[in-house]
Amino acid sequence: DGGITQSPKYLFRKEGQNVTLSCEQNLNHDAMYWYRQDPGQGLRLIYYSQIVNDFQKGDIAEGYSVSREKKESFPLTVTSAQKNPTAFYLCASSPRRDTQYFGPGTRLTVL
Amino acid sequence: AQTVTQSQPEMSVQEAETVTLSCTYDTSESDYYLFWYKQPPSRQMILVIRQEAYKQQNATENRFSVNFQKAAKSFSLKISDSQLGDAAMYFCAYRERSGNTPLVFGKGTRLSVIA
Repeated sequence: DGGITQSPKYLFRKEGQNVTLSCEQNLNHDAMYWYRQDPGQGLRLIYYSQIVNDFQKGDIAEGYSVSREKKESFPLTVTSAQKNPTAFYLCASSPRRDTQYFGPGTRLTVL
Repeated sequence: AQTVTQSQPEMSVQEAETVTLSCTYDTSESDYYLFWYKQPPSRQMILVIRQEAYKQQNATENRFSVNFQKAAKSFSLKISDSQLGDAAMYFCAYRERSGNTPLVFGKGTRLSVIA
């Protein structure tokens, strides 16, 4: 089955903890993206990667970090420096110069 | 920087009727992509329709069609014969044609379908 998977579906974080959200794709897409969605805010770009071992900051990168060691994987770490991390996180991928396809998302809640 | 504006936070339509969702964008590029995505209560983002700016013909996918006005930088979505399953958030998005640049999204329009 080809597609984009995100895990976990729900994630709870205590204050001061780092957590990592997983995103995997088996579509052989070059580029991968992380977006954050808050109510009434649409989607905002956190980080994106156009190629393995390279990534760029998006509009709201502070408090987040990423890696792209494999083409298939683009994990997002939410660090303790992110003061308001409760949100819905969407991962996407795209082949060169084409449509972005999205995973099912991860809902992160700070306790 | 490119921006996308959806001026209708909420819309409603009677089942089987037609509704049009508005989107405007700002760019200095001449070649780009425009998209409409649907986000139902499951929150999965689903591609509805895609338009390439260099194509003058408006894109159509079954009951969904667009009115692309390049000079006016307008990209509206028309849903015909609305169904209960069309109820969702709809996002308009822009992307430059070159490279794998990220999408720029509008804030969305929440569509309700009334039985």
